[in-house]
Amino acid sequence: KAGVTQTPRYLIKTRGQQVTLSCSPISGHRSVSWYQQTPGQGLQFLFEYFSETQRNKGNFPGRFSGRQFSNSRSEMNVSTLELGDSALYLCASSSSAGDETQYFGPGTRLLVL
Amino acid sequence: QQPVQSPQAVILREGEDAVINCSSSKALYSVHWYRQKHGEAPVFLMILLKGGEQKGHDKISASFNEKKQQSSLYLTASQLSYSGTYFCGTERRDRLIFGTGTRLQVFP
Repeated sequence: KAGVTQTPRYLIKTRGQQVTLSCSPISGHRSVSWYQQTPGQGLQFLFEYFSETQRNKGNFPGRFSGRQFSNSRSEMNVSTLELGDSALYLCASSSSAGDETQYFGPGTRLLVL
Repeated sequence: QQPVQSPQAVILREGEDAVINCSSSKALYSVHWYRQKHGEAPVFLMILLKGGEQKGHDKISASFNEKKQQSSLYLTASQLSYSGTYFCGTERRDRLIFGTGTRLQVFP
């Protein structure tokens, strides 16, 4: 089975812009979670989607949003980018929501200038 | 609140052993362990469930102490390939909350 894929792998934006990141889960997986990873904060949970519905949300401002399509692919959007949004954004898929193994994608490294 | 891992960093020589602890202020129902090598995505190592037994994976094993709300990861006879950052993840309201991470470096 192909693993989790994320596009793009690298992105440079300027403050105030918006960005959309994409994640394709492992075939058959219906749950997709998004994480932000920074050196200071570690792995922080953003949100989780299951069957096109947001099931869980972390403590991030409303500028961070996401969605999931019927084929389980997911997108994450960050509007009005701030310098502090520079991070590695990881998505992970699992076969169902809850206590299941998470398979991570390679991540999208976002740099906000 | 994220679980706390200790130590924050470990430096080993090949063949030495290490223990990484993961402590939670809330009741634990399950603990996941992941390893992330530099520049790569985290990779699942093992999961321990409440009431489950100690698990092992090659020379890496883990235990789960419900009363202490703690899990420990044991790395035996470490190899160079063990280098990376180890994260524990605890289940909280159907999502994983990851620990602070432990950076492990194995030298020849």
